[in-house]
Amino acid sequence: EADIYQTPRYLVIGTGKKITLECSQTMGHDKMYWYQQDPGMELHLIHYSYGVNSTEKGDLSSESTVSRIRTEHFPLTLESARPSHTSQYLCASSPGSNTEAFFGQGTRLTVV
Amino acid sequence: DQQVKQNSPSLSVQEGRISILNCDYTNSMFDYFLWYKKYPAEGPTFLISISSIKDKNEDGRFTVFLNKSAKHLSLHIVPSQPGDSAVYFCAAAGLLSGGSQGNLIFGKGTKLSVKP
Repeated sequence: EADIYQTPRYLVIGTGKKITLECSQTMGHDKMYWYQQDPGMELHLIHYSYGVNSTEKGDLSSESTVSRIRTEHFPLTLESARPSHTSQYLCASSPGSNTEAFFGQGTRLTVV
Repeated sequence: DQQVKQNSPSLSVQEGRISILNCDYTNSMFDYFLWYKKYPAEGPTFLISISSIKDKNEDGRFTVFLNKSAKHLSLHIVPSQPGDSAVYFCAAAGLLSGGSQGNLIFGKGTKLSVKP
C-alpha cells in the first residue's frame, strides 16, 4: 500500500486567489512528481524533483510553482488561480527513475 | 506529439471474457513500460510493468506483452470481472533527452467496462 497523501481532495476557489496543494509521502522516496489531468486526456507532467532542493519543470508548461524543502513534502502553489487552472492534480513519488510511481488520490481543483 | 498512444478510448467486454487493451509508442529509447488503473476522482494505481528485455510479464489475471519491433504493448485481463471497470493508462519511461530520464509518459487511457 502506497503512503502518499494529497490535500485537499476537492477545492473550489475564486479567480485570483492563491492556493497551495499539499503532497506528502512517508516512503522516503527521493523522486516526486506533479501531473495534471483533464477528463479523457493523458496525465501531463508539470513538475518533478530528484530530491531536496531540486525542482524541474515537466513537459507541460504550467503557471504553478513547487518547492522541495523536505524529502517527504512537495507542495504545488498557484499564485493567482484562473478558470483555465481547473483540472485534476496528481502527486506521485518513486524510489528512482525508470520505476513505478505511486500516486496520491489527487486534488480536483475548480476555479470559478 | 504524443509519444504514447492508446487509440481506443473505450472497450466493453462481457464478464468472464478476455479484455485486451492496446498501447503504441513512438520513442525507441523507452525501455520500461507500465499499466495503471484509475477510478474517477482517484489517483492511478500501478498494475503491472515490463522492461524491454522481456516480451511478457504475468501477474495473476493480468499479463502484459511487449513487441519491441512494432513498438506495441498490450494488457490482457482474463477472466474480466465487473470490478475491473476503470480507465487503464499505459505509461513508458526511458533515458530520454532533455532531462526527462526516467519520467513516466502516459497515454490518454482506455475506459474498460466489464458487463455482468
